[in-house]
Amino acid sequence: NAGVTQTPKFQVLKTGQSMTLQCAQDMNHEYMSWYRQDPGMGLRLIHYSVGAGITDQGEVPNGYNVSRSTTEDFPLRLLSAAPSQTSVYFCASSFGLGGTGLTDTQYFGPGTRLTVL
Amino acid sequence: DAKTTQPPSMDCAEGRAANLPCNHSTISGNEYVYWYRQIHSQGPQYIIHGLKNNETNEMASLIITEDRKSSTLILPHATLRDTAVYYCIVKGNNDMRFGAGTRLTVKP
Repeated sequence: NAGVTQTPKFQVLKTGQSMTLQCAQDMNHEYMSWYRQDPGMGLRLIHYSVGAGITDQGEVPNGYNVSRSTTEDFPLRLLSAAPSQTSVYFCASSFGLGGTGLTDTQYFGPGTRLTVL
Repeated sequence: DAKTTQPPSMDCAEGRAANLPCNHSTISGNEYVYWYRQIHSQGPQYIIHGLKNNETNEMASLIITEDRKSSTLILPHATLRDTAVYYCIVKGNNDMRFGAGTRLTVKP
């Protein structure tokens, strides 16, 4: 299994540009999520999905859109990039968040380092 | 907001046990405590989780107080490669929120 993969690894955008960060997992996980991590900070939850066709907002959803058309893929769209969105973006997946403990264990991708000029 | 409180940084001597505390005084009865770590700028890595009982795996031990309001992650023999940021997380209804974590530095 490849686990959780993210593309691209690095990206530079100009203010106002839009782009999509890709995330895919091959573990048949129902739950997927996106986090951002600013320098010296912990991770903050942007959006998450509990299954295909179902998404919800996390702590910092503004400026980002998500969709979940398949179990495997969970892309994150930046609608109009701003310098405040300069960050490292991590995608994660797990079997679920059903509260049974082990199934909630999240597996993280390697991250996408985004700079907005 | 994160439901946990951790010290921002700790040091540990190589070969000694590292004990990382976490306060989660508002934890609910069915919420699990998870520990992850993040080495440099890599994606976080799962370490261990628990509900009520103490847990041990090949990486660490987790001690949860009887009232479940705090816990301690124990790395029994810390190595230089254990230098990382350690996150204690109490899982919410449908999401897992990270706080600032504890930056553990293992020194020779």
